[in-house]
Amino acid sequence: GAVVSQHPSRVICKSGTSVKIECRSLDFQATTMFWYRQFPKQSLMLMATSNEGSKATYEQGVEKDKFLINHASLTLSTLTVTSAHPEDSSFYICSAREGTPSGNTIYFGEGSWLTVV
Amino acid sequence: DAKTTQPPSMDCAEGRAANLPCNHSTISGNEYVYWYRQIHSQGPQYIIHGLKNNETNEMASLIITEDRKSSTLILPHATLRDTAVYYCIVRGGSARQLTFGSGTQLTVLP
Repeated sequence: GAVVSQHPSRVICKSGTSVKIECRSLDFQATTMFWYRQFPKQSLMLMATSNEGSKATYEQGVEKDKFLINHASLTLSTLTVTSAHPEDSSFYICSAREGTPSGNTIYFGEGSWLTVV
Repeated sequence: DAKTTQPPSMDCAEGRAANLPCNHSTISGNEYVYWYRQIHSQGPQYIIHGLKNNETNEMASLIITEDRKSSTLILPHATLRDTAVYYCIVRGGSARQLTFGSGTQLTVLP
């Protein structure tokens, strides 16, 4: 199947700083990428949908000024957690949809563990 | 997208077939059934998807009932590495996101 890569896999940052997580589709072009957050023992919660070249669409309750999403190319989307606080510590996962007419499958990255201290 | 119902947990003996059920009684005609699994501390892994015909790939088989109100994911020879949370997701339209429920925790026992 298609490969989606996230970086970094783990990051620790100080409270009040910003951290960027990258999501790349390695062998296909992704017109749409999705960002999820997962707290321990819970399911994945969609945060936002990003379309290449346009503004991201955020789910209700997700602060767009805190979680900045950029989807500047067909293979790269970034999530920046600004002014991070300990409650932002979580597992962040991106996914990407193949951009072909028959591409009906979404593939996920390995996830990024964020710890804010 | 239609809601799905899955048992919270199941056990399966190593080497045996694991049959994971999913109910999606409100599924509509253009909605696909997708299965993903998530091994602890990793991103979800795509397994298989189908519309109305049964599907098989190198990982699993997907059996969808004729009325499409339920489906079963079959792992033919479960191994310890198949221990994971399995998510059954109904999704309509190729542009839509995947909405995750709580899934089924499958534990493969030695």
